[in-house]
Amino acid sequence: GAVVSQHPSWVICKSGTSVKIECRSLDFQATTMFWYRQFPKQSLMLMATSNEGSKATYEQGVEKDKFLINHASLTLSTLTVTSAHPEDSSFYICSARDTVHEQYFGPGTRLTVT
Amino acid sequence: GQQVMQIPQYQHVQEGEDFTTYCNSSTTLSNIQWYKQRPGGHPVFLIQLVKSGEVKKQKRLTFQFGEAKKNSSLHITATQTTDVGTYFCAGKLTGGGNKLTFGTGTQLKVEL
Repeated sequence: GAVVSQHPSWVICKSGTSVKIECRSLDFQATTMFWYRQFPKQSLMLMATSNEGSKATYEQGVEKDKFLINHASLTLSTLTVTSAHPEDSSFYICSARDTVHEQYFGPGTRLTVT
Repeated sequence: GQQVMQIPQYQHVQEGEDFTTYCNSSTTLSNIQWYKQRPGGHPVFLIQLVKSGEVKKQKRLTFQFGEAKKNSSLHITATQTTDVGTYFCAGKLTGGGNKLTFGTGTQLKVEL
């Protein structure tokens, strides 16, 4: 099946700093990528949808100035958590799809803000 | 609020017992997908159902999509310890484009 990677797999940062998470589709070109957040023992909540070359569409309640999404190429999308706070600690998961593939999920990035 | 609910939230079974999780949407779904997430892992795609009333089987797993396309179920026959994890349904809401709305999940624990 299609492969989606994320980097880093886990990261610890200090409160107030910014963290960038990369999502790559390795064997197909992803016209659309999705970013999810999952808190412990909860479901996945969609944060935003990004289409290559255009601005991301954010879900209600997600601050676009805090969670910066860039989808500059058909194989790479990045999520930057700016001025991170402990409440931003979560499991961030991306998924990617093209016109053929359904959503394939990356392995996730576990963010801990101290 | 959460538009796709799953019951039960938790289920403990003895190995060999059957298990079923139910997924209910407040709106019609264009399709339904099922995922399994092991503790500490990421969701892994299991199957997709598209047609009203569709039933698909994968070994001990049976998936159903309701006639009204608003509910679905996953049934595991004779559970094994390898079935442990959280099972999520995820659906594309009619008119919601390609967005997947995940269900609340059912955590399954299997004891020997």
